[in-house]
Amino acid sequence: SYELTQPPSVSVSPGQTARITCSGDALPKKFAYWYQQKSGQAPVLVIYEDNKRPSEIPERFSGSSSGTMATLTISGAQVEDEADYYCHSTNRVFGGGTKLTVL
Amino acid sequence: EVKLVESGGGLVKPGGSLRLSCAASGFTFSTYNMNWVRQAPGKGLEWVSSIVTSTSYIYYTDSVKGRFTISRDNAKNSLYLQMNSLRAEDTGVYYCARGRDTAGGYYFDYWGQGTLVTVSS
Repeated sequence: SYELTQPPSVSVSPGQTARITCSGDALPKKFAYWYQQKSGQAPVLVIYEDNKRPSEIPERFSGSSSGTMATLTISGAQVEDEADYYCHSTNRVFGGGTKLTVL
Repeated sequence: EVKLVESGGGLVKPGGSLRLSCAASGFTFSTYNMNWVRQAPGKGLEWVSSIVTSTSYIYYTDSVKGRFTISRDNAKNSLYLQMNSLRAEDTGVYYCARGRDTAGGYYFDYWGQGTLVTVSS
């Protein structure tokens, strides 16, 4: 079955750049999508089709994809960006999630 | 404003049944695929089921096939999930999510706040 692999955790200081990766064999052919889930809240779409950002999402969020790896980048991470981040791709499969700590 | 509001969760014994509902507003419900995604306590997201606009196509994850039934009422802007033969491993928050089916892939662009299902004796 198809799988997406994410690091369990990433930690940065406020103002630093956070990078969260997602690897999967289908990513060279399929788009990656990213969701942010803050504690006790519903997921929110932050990146779609590898690198597109919904209008309400801050510009510091960006996405890229190369080969079998997609990357979510948060440039100048803020304390309020602390959350779990999930990648998602074809066949309705989610990655295991990455806990981003900003402190 | 797109709004999805789930209801119907609660505590149920193993082997019991529950029916979840999702009330949609702020968009033309009948023109979008709809989905249920769940999250076990402390765990990640797991897609459960999808239904296309006309109900012609319905999909389930393997672990719920034969036990769960997804349906929709476009006249009432509502999505449902009938859950039978519930197991402890079905415990979690169930989210209603709007689906976008594009040439490049399928994703979930809006989510409800979720409803908690607890299966326990």
